[in-house]
Amino acid sequence: LAKTTQPISMDSYEGQEVNITCSHNNIATNDYITWYQQFPSQGPRFIIQGYKTKVTNEVASLFIPADRKSSTLSLPRVSLSDTAVYYCLVGDMGSGGSQGNLIFGKGTKLSVKP
Amino acid sequence: DTAVSQTPKYLVTQMGNDKSIKCEQNLGHDTMYWYKQDSKKFLKIMFSYNNKELIINETVPNRFSPKSPDKAHLNLHINSLELGDSAVYFCASSQGKRPEAFFGQGTRLTVV
Repeated sequence: LAKTTQPISMDSYEGQEVNITCSHNNIATNDYITWYQQFPSQGPRFIIQGYKTKVTNEVASLFIPADRKSSTLSLPRVSLSDTAVYYCLVGDMGSGGSQGNLIFGKGTKLSVKP
Repeated sequence: DTAVSQTPKYLVTQMGNDKSIKCEQNLGHDTMYWYKQDSKKFLKIMFSYNNKELIINETVPNRFSPKSPDKAHLNLHINSLELGDSAVYFCASSQGKRPEAFFGQGTRLTVV
Protein backbone atom coordinates (compact mmCIF):
# COMPACT_ATOMS: atom_id res chain seq x y z
CA LEU A 1 0.00 0.00 0.00
CA ALA A 2 1.24 3.45 -0.90
CA LYS A 3 2.36 5.61 2.00
CA THR A 4 0.91 9.10 2.25
CA THR A 5 2.37 12.29 3.67
CA GLN A 6 0.27 15.29 4.65
CA PRO A 7 0.90 18.44 6.68
CA ILE A 8 0.14 17.86 10.32
CA SER A 9 -1.93 21.01 10.65
CA MET A 10 -3.25 24.02 8.75
CA ASP A 11 -4.95 27.22 9.77
CA SER A 12 -7.45 29.18 7.74
CA TYR A 13 -10.11 31.85 8.07
CA GLU A 14 -13.75 31.69 7.24
CA GLY A 15 -14.52 32.29 3.59
CA GLN A 16 -11.09 31.29 2.35
CA GLU A 17 -10.31 28.45 -0.01
CA VAL A 18 -8.23 25.75 1.63
CA ASN A 19 -5.95 23.39 -0.26
CA ILE A 20 -4.51 20.35 1.49
CA THR A 21 -1.85 18.46 -0.40
CA CYS A 22 -1.02 14.81 0.06
CA SER A 23 2.14 13.15 -1.26
CA HIS A 24 2.04 9.53 -2.37
CA ASN A 25 5.21 8.96 -4.35
CA ASN A 26 4.88 5.18 -4.63
CA ILE A 27 1.26 5.11 -5.76
CA ALA A 28 0.50 2.03 -7.84
CA THR A 29 -1.31 1.88 -11.15
CA ASN A 30 -4.47 0.42 -9.61
CA ASP A 31 -4.56 2.79 -6.65
CA TYR A 32 -7.27 5.38 -6.12
CA ILE A 33 -6.99 8.46 -3.91
CA THR A 34 -9.67 8.96 -1.28
CA TRP A 35 -10.21 11.69 1.28
CA TYR A 36 -12.07 11.47 4.57
CA GLN A 37 -13.07 14.08 7.13
CA GLN A 38 -13.29 13.47 10.87
CA PHE A 39 -14.90 15.77 13.41
CA PRO A 40 -14.09 15.40 17.11
CA SER A 41 -15.90 12.51 18.76
CA GLN A 42 -17.19 11.20 15.42
CA GLY A 43 -16.17 8.57 12.95
CA PRO A 44 -14.52 9.55 9.66
CA ARG A 45 -16.78 10.57 6.78
CA PHE A 46 -16.06 10.04 3.08
CA ILE A 47 -15.51 13.26 1.14
CA ILE A 48 -14.25 12.47 -2.34
CA GLN A 49 -12.32 9.98 -4.43
CA GLY A 50 -10.40 10.24 -7.68
CA TYR A 51 -7.97 8.45 -9.95
CA LYS A 52 -6.58 11.22 -12.14
CA THR A 53 -7.16 14.82 -13.26
CA LYS A 54 -9.96 16.57 -11.38
CA VAL A 55 -13.01 15.42 -9.50
CA THR A 56 -15.62 17.74 -8.01
CA ASN A 57 -18.63 17.15 -5.85
CA GLU A 58 -20.86 19.31 -3.67
CA VAL A 59 -18.33 19.33 -0.86
CA ALA A 60 -14.86 19.57 -2.39
CA SER A 61 -12.62 19.24 -5.41
CA LEU A 62 -9.75 16.85 -5.83
CA PHE A 63 -6.85 17.72 -8.12
CA ILE A 64 -4.50 14.98 -9.25
CA PRO A 65 -1.52 15.76 -11.53
CA ALA A 66 -0.56 13.51 -14.40
CA ASP A 67 2.15 11.65 -12.44
CA ARG A 68 -0.33 10.98 -9.61
CA LYS A 69 2.42 11.29 -7.01
CA SER A 70 0.42 13.86 -5.11
CA SER A 71 -3.13 15.11 -4.80
CA THR A 72 -4.76 18.26 -3.49
CA LEU A 73 -8.06 18.47 -1.69
CA SER A 74 -9.66 21.85 -2.22
CA LEU A 75 -12.36 23.15 0.12
CA PRO A 76 -14.04 26.30 -1.25
CA ARG A 77 -15.01 29.05 1.15
CA VAL A 78 -14.51 27.20 4.41
CA SER A 79 -16.61 27.87 7.48
CA LEU A 80 -16.02 27.21 11.16
CA SER A 81 -17.80 23.88 10.78
CA ASP A 82 -15.08 22.67 8.42
CA THR A 83 -12.68 22.47 11.35
CA ALA A 84 -11.74 18.79 11.35
CA VAL A 85 -9.01 16.30 10.55
CA TYR A 86 -8.68 15.42 6.88
CA TYR A 87 -7.20 12.08 5.84
CA CYS A 88 -5.74 11.13 2.50
CA LEU A 89 -5.88 7.43 1.64
CA VAL A 90 -4.36 5.61 -1.28
CA GLY A 91 -5.30 2.07 -2.17
CA ASP A 92 -6.53 -0.40 -4.73
CA MET A 93 -10.30 -0.24 -4.86
CA GLY A 94 -10.47 -2.88 -7.58
CA SER A 95 -10.46 -5.73 -5.12
CA GLY A 96 -13.03 -4.30 -2.82
CA GLY A 97 -12.79 -3.36 0.80
CA SER A 98 -11.73 -6.75 2.02
CA GLN A 99 -8.23 -6.00 0.88
CA GLY A 100 -7.90 -3.68 3.84
CA ASN A 101 -7.17 -0.70 1.67
CA LEU A 102 -8.81 1.75 4.06
CA ILE A 103 -5.48 2.59 5.67
CA PHE A 104 -5.47 5.99 7.34
CA GLY A 105 -2.38 8.16 7.74
CA LYS A 106 -1.91 10.82 10.38
CA GLY A 107 -4.19 13.31 8.71
CA THR A 108 -4.18 17.10 8.56
CA LYS A 109 -5.84 19.01 11.36
CA LEU A 110 -7.56 22.01 9.78
CA SER A 111 -8.51 24.87 12.08
CA VAL A 112 -10.84 27.48 10.65
CA LYS A 113 -10.92 30.76 12.52
CA PRO A 114 -13.54 33.53 12.38
CA ASP B 1 -32.07 5.13 10.96
CA THR B 2 -28.41 4.98 11.87
CA ALA B 3 -26.42 3.32 9.09
CA VAL B 4 -23.65 1.88 11.27
CA SER B 5 -24.38 1.59 14.97
CA GLN B 6 -22.11 0.54 17.79
CA THR B 7 -22.92 -0.35 21.34
CA PRO B 8 -22.01 0.66 23.89
CA LYS B 9 -20.88 4.21 23.24
CA TYR B 10 -18.85 4.25 26.44
CA LEU B 11 -17.28 1.32 28.25
CA VAL B 12 -15.28 1.51 31.47
CA THR B 13 -13.84 -1.73 32.78
CA GLN B 14 -11.06 -3.14 34.88
CA MET B 15 -7.85 -4.72 33.72
CA GLY B 16 -8.14 -8.41 33.07
CA ASN B 17 -11.82 -8.36 32.17
CA ASP B 18 -13.29 -9.63 28.93
CA LYS B 19 -15.60 -7.32 27.00
CA SER B 20 -17.43 -7.10 23.71
CA ILE B 21 -18.41 -4.23 21.45
CA LYS B 22 -21.25 -4.78 19.05
CA CYS B 23 -21.58 -3.35 15.56
CA GLU B 24 -24.49 -3.50 13.17
CA GLN B 25 -24.92 -2.00 9.71
CA ASN B 26 -28.22 -1.69 7.89
CA LEU B 27 -26.72 -0.67 4.56
CA GLY B 28 -26.51 -4.13 3.06
CA HIS B 29 -22.75 -3.81 2.75
CA ASP B 30 -20.57 -6.85 2.25
CA THR B 31 -17.47 -5.72 4.14
CA MET B 32 -17.03 -4.54 7.72
CA TYR B 33 -14.05 -3.18 9.61
CA TRP B 34 -12.79 -2.42 13.07
CA TYR B 35 -10.47 0.50 13.72
CA LYS B 36 -8.69 1.67 16.85
CA GLN B 37 -8.05 5.36 17.44
CA ASP B 38 -5.63 6.03 20.27
CA SER B 39 -5.05 9.14 22.35
CA LYS B 40 -2.80 10.57 19.64
CA LYS B 41 -5.72 10.26 17.23
CA PHE B 42 -4.02 7.74 14.97
CA LEU B 43 -6.60 5.56 13.22
CA LYS B 44 -5.33 2.01 12.85
CA ILE B 45 -7.18 -0.71 11.05
CA MET B 46 -7.54 -3.86 13.10
CA PHE B 47 -9.66 -6.15 10.94
CA SER B 48 -11.51 -6.17 7.68
CA TYR B 49 -14.02 -8.91 7.02
CA ASN B 50 -16.49 -10.00 4.41
CA ASN B 51 -18.21 -13.27 3.75
CA LYS B 52 -15.11 -14.54 2.04
CA GLU B 53 -12.19 -13.64 4.17
CA LEU B 54 -10.95 -12.12 7.37
CA ILE B 55 -7.89 -9.94 7.14
CA ILE B 56 -6.13 -9.28 10.39
CA ASN B 57 -3.63 -6.53 10.97
CA GLU B 58 -0.61 -8.45 12.19
CA THR B 59 0.03 -5.93 14.94
CA VAL B 60 -3.29 -6.69 16.65
CA PRO B 61 -2.88 -8.92 19.72
CA ASN B 62 -4.73 -12.21 19.59
CA ARG B 63 -6.72 -11.07 22.62
CA PHE B 64 -8.83 -9.23 20.06
CA SER B 65 -11.16 -11.31 17.95
CA PRO B 66 -13.91 -10.30 15.53
CA LYS B 67 -17.04 -12.39 15.38
CA SER B 68 -19.64 -12.09 12.66
CA PRO B 69 -22.94 -13.87 13.33
CA ASP B 70 -24.27 -12.61 10.01
CA LYS B 71 -23.50 -10.23 7.21
CA ALA B 72 -24.88 -7.20 9.05
CA HIS B 73 -22.94 -7.65 12.27
CA LEU B 74 -19.28 -7.66 13.24
CA ASN B 75 -18.67 -7.74 16.96
CA LEU B 76 -15.34 -7.20 18.62
CA HIS B 77 -14.36 -9.40 21.58
CA ILE B 78 -11.47 -8.42 23.77
CA ASN B 79 -10.00 -10.78 26.35
CA SER B 80 -7.81 -9.93 29.31
CA LEU B 81 -8.09 -6.18 28.86
CA GLU B 82 -4.97 -4.09 29.39
CA LEU B 83 -4.48 -0.40 30.12
CA GLY B 84 -3.11 0.11 26.61
CA ASP B 85 -6.37 -1.05 25.11
CA SER B 86 -7.96 2.23 26.18
CA ALA B 87 -8.98 3.99 22.97
CA VAL B 88 -11.93 4.78 20.75
CA TYR B 89 -12.95 1.84 18.59
CA PHE B 90 -14.75 2.47 15.31
CA CYS B 91 -16.72 0.03 13.26
CA ALA B 92 -17.20 0.69 9.55
CA SER B 93 -18.70 -0.92 6.49
CA SER B 94 -18.37 -0.65 2.74
CA GLN B 95 -19.73 -2.33 -0.34
CA GLY B 96 -17.64 -4.04 -2.97
CA LYS B 97 -15.66 -1.60 -5.08
CA ARG B 98 -17.46 1.51 -3.91
CA PRO B 99 -15.07 4.01 -2.34
CA GLU B 100 -17.20 5.17 0.57
CA ALA B 101 -16.91 3.51 3.94
CA PHE B 102 -19.46 4.42 6.58
CA PHE B 103 -18.31 4.66 10.16
CA GLY B 104 -20.13 4.25 13.43
CA GLN B 105 -20.02 6.85 16.16
CA GLY B 106 -17.31 5.01 18.04
CA THR B 107 -16.99 3.25 21.38
CA ARG B 108 -14.76 4.89 23.95
CA LEU B 109 -13.14 2.10 25.95
CA THR B 110 -11.41 2.99 29.20
CA VAL B 111 -9.50 0.31 31.05
CA VAL B 112 -8.73 1.13 34.68
